[in-house]
Amino acid sequence: DIQMTQSPSSLSASVGDRVTITCRASQSISRYLNWYQQKPGKAPKLLIYAASSLQSGVPSRFSGSGSGTDFTLTISSLQPEDFATYYCQHSYSTPPYTFGQGTKLEIK
Amino acid sequence: EVQLVESGGGLVQPGGSLRLSCAASEFTFRSYSMNWVRQAPGKGLEWVSYITTTGSSTYYADSVKGRFTVSRDNAKNSLYLQMNSLRAEDTAVYYCARGTGVVAASPYYFDYWGQGTLVTVSS
Repeated sequence: DIQMTQSPSSLSASVGDRVTITCRASQSISRYLNWYQQKPGKAPKLLIYAASSLQSGVPSRFSGSGSGTDFTLTISSLQPEDFATYYCQHSYSTPPYTFGQGTKLEIK
Repeated sequence: EVQLVESGGGLVQPGGSLRLSCAASEFTFRSYSMNWVRQAPGKGLEWVSYITTTGSSTYYADSVKGRFTVSRDNAKNSLYLQMNSLRAEDTAVYYCARGTGVVAASPYYFDYWGQGTLVTVSS
């Protein structure tokens, strides 16, 4: 099975900061990489699919890049509502579609 | 607006069984594959199971294989997860999630999620 590793596990930042979260796959997954945002007590929300495609309704300050094994999620200017936990997930080939362990983004 | 509503969670003893349901509305349910994802208290997301549009093919995480069974009733716009031989480590919020795309042929992602139902396995 493909393993997904995110870094960092937690991150403190301020409103207005530019933030980057990294996700690494244990083997090449082409661009079959998704990013989700989850707030406490809520279901995850899709942000980015296919590595860099922005889901409808998601603010343009969110962007994704990468291919193969290394991917990044960037938030260009943090807003108060962006403080949450972020997960990457691969969708390469057939399931299992593993998630990364999550990155908790906290207010500095 | 697409809606997914899970139900059936609760407290069950180790070794017991539970059946979760996910009621779908405001989209053509039979046209989408579906997934179950769980989240143990304070932990990350774990993909659990996948089912094709017709139910002809299913996949499971190793942690639940042989104990859980996913099924669907397209006439009732419903997804199910039969959970047997439950263990303490199955305690989690269980989410159903709609899959968009074609597995192994195009980008595939979970674009809509339910609110989740809590399963607690404890004596």
